Amino acid sequence: KAGVTQTPRYLIKTRGQQVTLSCSPISGHRSVSWYQQTPGQGLQFLFEYFSETQRNKGNFPGRFSGRQFSNSRSEMNVSTLELGDSALYLCASSLEAINEKLFFGSGTQLSVL
Amino acid sequence: AQTVTQSQPEMSVQEAETVTLSCTYDTSENNYYLFWYKQPPSRQMILVIRQEAYKQQNATENRFSVNFQKAAKSFSLKISDSQLGDTAMYFCAFKDDKIIFGKGTRLHILP
Repeated sequence: KAGVTQTPRYLIKTRGQQVTLSCSPISGHRSVSWYQQTPGQGLQFLFEYFSETQRNKGNFPGRFSGRQFSNSRSEMNVSTLELGDSALYLCASSLEAINEKLFFGSGTQLSVL
Repeated sequence: AQTVTQSQPEMSVQEAETVTLSCTYDTSENNYYLFWYKQPPSRQMILVIRQEAYKQQNATENRFSVNFQKAAKSFSLKISDSQLGDTAMYFCAFKDDKIIFGKGTRLHILP
């Protein structure tokens, strides 16, 4: 079974641009959650999607948004990028809910210049 | 608000030794989940062990076990017979409706 796939692995953007990150969950998993990892703040929960609906959201500004498609693939979008958005963005999938075993992807390293 | 604290930023132990990583959390909830995740240099987070708060019995997964003290809000991870492959960043996490991670403990297993 293929694992969680995140694309791209690395991304360089400039301030003010927008970016879209992609996450393909493990086949059969319906929950996808996103996390931001930085050296200063650690790992922070962004949001969770289940059956195309946002089920939960962390404390991030509205510039961070996401969506989930009918095949459970998910995208995360960050608009009007700021230097502080530079981070490793991790996606995880699980069968039903994020209190179950989470399977993580290898992340997308975003650098904002 | 819930918080998760890992008081040991970095630890080193010799191969085959036993090591314990500390984690405390703060919550007013009664039902929640606790996790330990491992992040090796490959960056991919891997679930090490999971504990449901309503279960008094401590979870065990092979060489990994936890000491869950609900009243003290403590959830430490014990790694027995440590191996070089255990070298990684370890994150403690708490979840009721949202998941919150500690800042992590960087563990080095020395040959």
